[in-house]
Amino acid sequence: AQSVTQLGSHVSVSEGALVLLRCNYSSSVPPYLFWYVQYPNQGLQLLLKYTSAATLVKGINGFEAEFKKSETSFHLTKPSAHMSDAAEYFCAVSSSNAGKSTFGDGTTLTVKP
Amino acid sequence: DTGVSQNPRHKITKRGQNVTFRCDPISEHNRLYWYRQTLGQGPEFLTYFQNEAQLEKSRLLSDRFSAERPKGSFSTLEIQRTEQGDSAMYLCASSFSLQETQYFGPGTRLLVL
Repeated sequence: AQSVTQLGSHVSVSEGALVLLRCNYSSSVPPYLFWYVQYPNQGLQLLLKYTSAATLVKGINGFEAEFKKSETSFHLTKPSAHMSDAAEYFCAVSSSNAGKSTFGDGTTLTVKP
Repeated sequence: DTGVSQNPRHKITKRGQNVTFRCDPISEHNRLYWYRQTLGQGPEFLTYFQNEAQLEKSRLLSDRFSAERPKGSFSTLEIQRTEQGDSAMYLCASSFSLQETQYFGPGTRLLVL
């Protein structure tokens, strides 16, 4: 069984500030972990993924995430927020032997000018 | 490669009617997934195919739902006797193999009146 908890359904930051979106997972087997971004009325776009290689994963648009097995976490960060980062972000977990992904409920990121 | 496409993008129907959605995956992707997303929540897994074989169905998929992928290429998702609770965004994703990234389409937004 696998599950994802995203802490904070809404996060608001000022433009230029650090972005930190939290994700904790549960998985009975070594997980694959993903962060997706979704803009209004659109599908999901992959930001980055962890598949048991380097624990610090760099993605698109300046985002990165660190896999911490001891904390079962995969938090998403970006050093400096941009207005265009305002969107909904989803953390997801899957496993090497099960293709389906389990998603968190999402975090809406607001960026204030 | 144009990505995953879904048609229609929007569908409004009356309760009790049948609806069918189509998903065209990225060419050569042998895995195809269907998810449902309701407002304020992350996508929930419905079913997936490897080529033309439907390998797993979620318990969310009631008897009114059926999915096919007849030639291992495009897929259809049919909902019979729609209910207001079926109103949601229906997302399709495809991947090249079990361990590879799922690429999502733009979704079909269904509204049942």
